[in-house]
Amino acid sequence: AQSVAQPEDQVNVAEGNPLTVKCTYSVSGNPYLFWYVQYPNRGLQFLLKYITGDNLVKGSYGFEAEFNKSQTSFHLKKPSALVSDSALYFCAVIPKGSGTYKYIFGTGTRLKVLA
Amino acid sequence: GAVVSQHPSRVICKSGTSVKIECRSLDFQATTMFWYRQFPKQSLMLMATSNEGSKATYEQGVEKDKFLINHASLTLSTLTVTSAHPEDSSFYICSARAGLEGGRRTDTQYFGPGTRLTVL
Repeated sequence: AQSVAQPEDQVNVAEGNPLTVKCTYSVSGNPYLFWYVQYPNRGLQFLLKYITGDNLVKGSYGFEAEFNKSQTSFHLKKPSALVSDSALYFCAVIPKGSGTYKYIFGTGTRLKVLA
Repeated sequence: GAVVSQHPSRVICKSGTSVKIECRSLDFQATTMFWYRQFPKQSLMLMATSNEGSKATYEQGVEKDKFLINHASLTLSTLTVTSAHPEDSSFYICSARAGLEGGRRTDTQYFGPGTRLTVL
């Protein structure tokens, strides 16, 4: 079965330190990959996506992610965390050639940035 | 760009009543809209996919007669929860996919802010 894993329910990081939120996937073919952030009682905000090309993708609010085909990963990173980055982060995947545009979501990772 | 709105943001209703939630793409035409349900501290559960002018496609286990979806135009989709019961209380989120972005086919979904439904 095709799936997306976010192995950490919660990640704690000190303000100013680099942060990483992990995402691995198990889908057929090369997927389209997305990261979203959700603040409390709000919808999801688009951060970045990988479709093709350069494996390092830069997105909103200083976030970036690297597509690693051999490790089937798409980890989200930021060089210096802010307290305002504290939120729920979702990785999503569309298997290429799936014939639909439906996302397969990870379970989400709660990021807590400590002042 | 790519703004999606939802209305209402919060609704409280009595058991047995019906509730309509609107989802609008404000600055683009959405060929496909999706409706999700999110339980506390959980991921999003896709309920249905709707394409403008055609019937919605429901995910397995989602009652189509209970969750009526209408996608009457390229900028508006509605979800009606019919005869709502307390177990329907949840956070409902819509998303919209533009057919094209910058002249190129896109797969990115843009999400609305969500609607908190509480059924008493």
